[in-house]
Amino acid sequence: SAVISQKPSRDICQRGTSLTIQCQVDSQVTMMFWYRQQPGQSLTLIATANQGSEATYESGFVIDKFPISRPNLTFSTLTVSNMSPEDSSIYLCSVRTSGYEQYFGPGTRLTVT
Amino acid sequence: KQEVTQIPAALSVPEGENLVLNCSFTDSAIYNLQWFRQDPGKGLTSLLLIQSSQREQTSGRLNASLDKSSGRSTLYIAASQPGDSATYLCAALLIGANSKLTFGKGITLSVRP
Repeated sequence: SAVISQKPSRDICQRGTSLTIQCQVDSQVTMMFWYRQQPGQSLTLIATANQGSEATYESGFVIDKFPISRPNLTFSTLTVSNMSPEDSSIYLCSVRTSGYEQYFGPGTRLTVT
Repeated sequence: KQEVTQIPAALSVPEGENLVLNCSFTDSAIYNLQWFRQDPGKGLTSLLLIQSSQREQTSGRLNASLDKSSGRSTLYIAASQPGDSATYLCAALLIGANSKLTFGKGITLSVRP
């Protein structure tokens, strides 16, 4: 299994600012992901965070808006840049273990005013 | 492209009832299928993982089954309790490098005391 922590757990931010979300895992994992869940919706994959190289973004998501860092096998950050109210969502960090089971962090609830 | 469907979107049952949550998927070339629970505003908790070679998995009052040939999985909850009220999501992982989980939209369960 994997235990994931995220910081902050929630934040209220002003339009045009940026927020960086941290994700820490209690064990080394190869595959780490960032998801977004808009109100009342299912999860949407933003990107796969690759250790030591640039993240792989899904269609509709770009690095300028959602820069991701992955300096090692237990830590990653997601920045939501130049925020607008449409970015108000829960942002979730997730990892996949060697047994192909996927675990999720507690989420960061972001409100943009 | 894999599609995962969960119907109905919401379910309300009285306490003590045994219930079945359904999940269907279109591509049977899956590595595994995973059931998650999500409480409002929170992250996802992994409930059960069924490998493609398995027929079912059990954990406490929960039992998940998998029928790859028909593209179906079910989550059986025995003797439901108000604390089981949450959204239940199923997700399928296709075989292949860099494969991503495909989620259903979830079933919101309410167990009435």
